[in-house]
Amino acid sequence: QTVLTQPPSVSGAPGQRVTISCTGSSSNIGAGYDVHWYQQLPGTAPKLLIYGNNNRPSGVPDRFSGSKSGTSASLAITGLQAEDEADYYCQSYDSSLSGLYVFGTGTKVTVL
Amino acid sequence: QVQLEESGPGLVKPSQTLSLTCTVSGGSISGSGYYWSWIRQHPGKGLEWIGYISYTGSTYYNPSLKSLVTISLDKSKNHFSLKLSSVTAADTAMYYCARGFGVVTPLFDYWGQGTLVTVSS
Repeated sequence: QTVLTQPPSVSGAPGQRVTISCTGSSSNIGAGYDVHWYQQLPGTAPKLLIYGNNNRPSGVPDRFSGSKSGTSASLAITGLQAEDEADYYCQSYDSSLSGLYVFGTGTKVTVL
Repeated sequence: QVQLEESGPGLVKPSQTLSLTCTVSGGSISGSGYYWSWIRQHPGKGLEWIGYISYTGSTYYNPSLKSLVTISLDKSKNHFSLKLSSVTAADTAMYYCARGFGVVTPLFDYWGQGTLVTVSS
């Protein structure tokens, strides 16, 4: 069951800004639960990219930023670079029967 | 630096039980506030949380898999394990172990590299 919906793909030229949306509901993002974002490079495990809606772990470039409003969250990548080509997933907590931890459907970012 | 590493058979026959172990190094599995989780990713698909075991030994499973999943903790070996019973081809996936952290909305800050499990006769 889909709980957090993301666009399947976004693309941009090097240097451009792209955003990825994560749409939830009143039982997860809309209930006030935090959103975290993960980056999954090809053939690797996911890596924590943004936590608590808009915080970056040590080592994550500041061109990655997150925001949250209502039942949605967004990840923005400014100054897009070739190495940003990856899959991105949002994650939150869901208080319904969908399960405790829920992930977004995932978005493939392509650098043109 | 905390590291996690999955191990277990890469091939399981239908109807059998999938068993994986995640060995944690660089930190204690008994550390308070952590939720040791299993997450899987079907080929070409998104991430699905399977369940967790906390540092106290309490467990919680994805309701969609609850009747088939058991996660256990071995503090003496600093590892935790996953058992998924009655597997079918639909359980073919990359299985990751991860450390969950946080009170209100736990996040996954450390992941294993993943292990591919294929269900086939």
